[in-house]
Amino acid sequence: GNSVTQMEGPVTLSEEAFLTINCTYTATGYPSLFWYVQYPGEGLQLLLKATKADDKGSNKGFEATYRKETTSFHLEKGSVQVSDSAVYFCALSGTGNQFYFGTGTSLTVIP
Amino acid sequence: SAVISQKPSRDICQRGTSLTIQCQVDSQVTMMFWYRQQPGQSLTLIATANQGSEATYESGFVIDKFPISRPNLTFSTLTVSNMSPEDSSIYLCSVLGRAETQYFGPGTRLLVL
Repeated sequence: GNSVTQMEGPVTLSEEAFLTINCTYTATGYPSLFWYVQYPGEGLQLLLKATKADDKGSNKGFEATYRKETTSFHLEKGSVQVSDSAVYFCALSGTGNQFYFGTGTSLTVIP
Repeated sequence: SAVISQKPSRDICQRGTSLTIQCQVDSQVTMMFWYRQQPGQSLTLIATANQGSEATYESGFVIDKFPISRPNLTFSTLTVSNMSPEDSSIYLCSVLGRAETQYFGPGTRLLVL
């Protein structure tokens, strides 16, 4: 079946630190992979996505590469800001457009 | 991407009452979904809202508790019936856009006392 396993938080970093949030998946077929971000008090926003192996999604300085060989889609950012404090969700789109979400990773960036 | 609005944005309700949440999209979409996000948890799919027919519910969710309407391709409602404190959650609607991407509304924050 389909599932997403996401690095547990919470994660606390200093401003300008390097961020990695690990995400691995199990899927039948060739799913699309997504990272969503949820800022405090808001709904989920699409951060980036990749639709096939070796694709790299990027947005707002965040990147993630679809690695079929390791079934991973780790989120990275070279220099985090206080405004990046949020909860990050990894997700995959399976057959029938069913989405599978990870448990979310809370990130707090301190000045 | 679609622009999605939800009403109300938040509410505090008494146990035993019902609340209807509205979801409006600025363009016609084929697929709309309702999710629940319990405090500190990930998203759980409640149902797929089907236009012109009954919603398709996920395991653990039933129509009597969460009736859904989808009268057209831009609007849907979710009712949380006979509420208890365990129903306190964020309720999110989403739509399926291009390239298999889901877009989410801002959510409705519900507290049941």
